[in-house]
Amino acid sequence: LAKTTQPISMDSYEGQEVNITCSHNNIATNDYITWYQQFPSQGPRFIIQGYKTKVTNEVASLFIPADRKSSTLSLPRVSLSDTAVYYCLVGPLEGGYQKVTFGTGTKLQVIP
Amino acid sequence: DSGVTQTPKHLITATGQRVTLRCSPRSGDLSVYWYQQSLDQGLQFLIQYYNGEERAKGNILERFSAQQFPDLHSELNLSSLELGDSALYFCASSAGQGREETQYFGPGTRLLVL
Repeated sequence: LAKTTQPISMDSYEGQEVNITCSHNNIATNDYITWYQQFPSQGPRFIIQGYKTKVTNEVASLFIPADRKSSTLSLPRVSLSDTAVYYCLVGPLEGGYQKVTFGTGTKLQVIP
Repeated sequence: DSGVTQTPKHLITATGQRVTLRCSPRSGDLSVYWYQQSLDQGLQFLIQYYNGEERAKGNILERFSAQQFPDLHSELNLSSLELGDSALYFCASSAGQGREETQYFGPGTRLLVL
């Protein structure tokens, strides 16, 4: 079961690119990496998911090095509404018994 | 709107009581997950059900139990409640039990134990 480690908090000014890194040294071969965003008193919301290399969608990019022991969520040109907690999740690809573990989460504060 | 519904939204009860939280997954999703989120802790995984069967257990107390019914909705039962059980309880659902496990979260049930 891959454990994840993230910075507890980050500050950024509006308009800047923000990179949040998650360490998952024990990631298994069939694990996917998923990032979620959570606003206060709301459930987490899916942002992006990847297995290796780079994945990009309309919200963010996810960079995964070849060894997959870490991943970086990149948020381009953040705005105040991006202030939230960002969770890195590593979970298995295939079925069978599995556990889903969230990281500690990174609290991103966007400053005007 | 994630498509996952949870009831009730808020629940206030007393210590020693028992409550039941309900979750309806997205249409077609077979897996349901329960999480607890306290003020001082991140998301704590409690338990997962897939198509009516328990699939994985996390940090779930013995006072807590869950089940998933044939129509795939799930209930989380919390008994002998303590002050420390006050938290947000989230339910999430996903299509399968492992493949591309994107989880869609409900709005949560806020439980306050007095």
